[in-house]
Amino acid sequence: KAGVTQTPRYLIKTRGQQVTLSCSPISGHRSVSWYQQTPGQGLQFLFEYFSETQRNKGNFPGRFSGRQFSNSRSEMNVSTLELGDSALYLCASSLAGGQQSGGIQYFGAGTRLSVL
Amino acid sequence: EDKVVQSPLSLVVHEGDTVTLNCSYEVTNFRSLLWYKQEKKAPTFLFMLTSSGIEKKSGRLSSILDKKELFSILNITATQTGDSAIYLCAVQGAQKLVFGQGTRLTINP
Repeated sequence: KAGVTQTPRYLIKTRGQQVTLSCSPISGHRSVSWYQQTPGQGLQFLFEYFSETQRNKGNFPGRFSGRQFSNSRSEMNVSTLELGDSALYLCASSLAGGQQSGGIQYFGAGTRLSVL
Repeated sequence: EDKVVQSPLSLVVHEGDTVTLNCSYEVTNFRSLLWYKQEKKAPTFLFMLTSSGIEKKSGRLSSILDKKELFSILNITATQTGDSAIYLCAVQGAQKLVFGQGTRLTINP
């Protein structure tokens, strides 16, 4: 069974640009969560999608948004990039109940975003 | 606000040593505590603990949860260089998974 797949693996952007990251969950998983990981802040929760609906959101500005498609694949968008957005963005999927049911989350390898 | 604190933040030991990593938490509506190992990119799942006092074990790794004192420990015996990684503790609350800062473990040969 294929794991969580994130694309692209690396991205370099300049300030003010926007970026879209993609995540394909494990087959059969309906919940997708996104996290930002930086050396100073650790893993910070961005949002969770379940059945195409955003179910929960972390404390990030509105420049960070996402969506989920009917096949459970998810995209995350960051608009008007800032230097501080440089980070590893991780996606995790879990079975039917997602975070609200306390299911185990399985992570992808992440997208390393560098903002210059 | 929900909080997970891991200690130490960094640990360097010699191959063959035994290490204990700590995780304390303050989370509303606790559901479970999870341990992950992150070597390069993707955190990989190690254990999920929901009940107090029941040890989970996998090879040289073991973990236990104390729900009264709100902490968990992860033990690694007879460490190997392949155990070098960041170990993440995460607690599932009512709505989301909250991560600690992680412990960076380095095993020297």
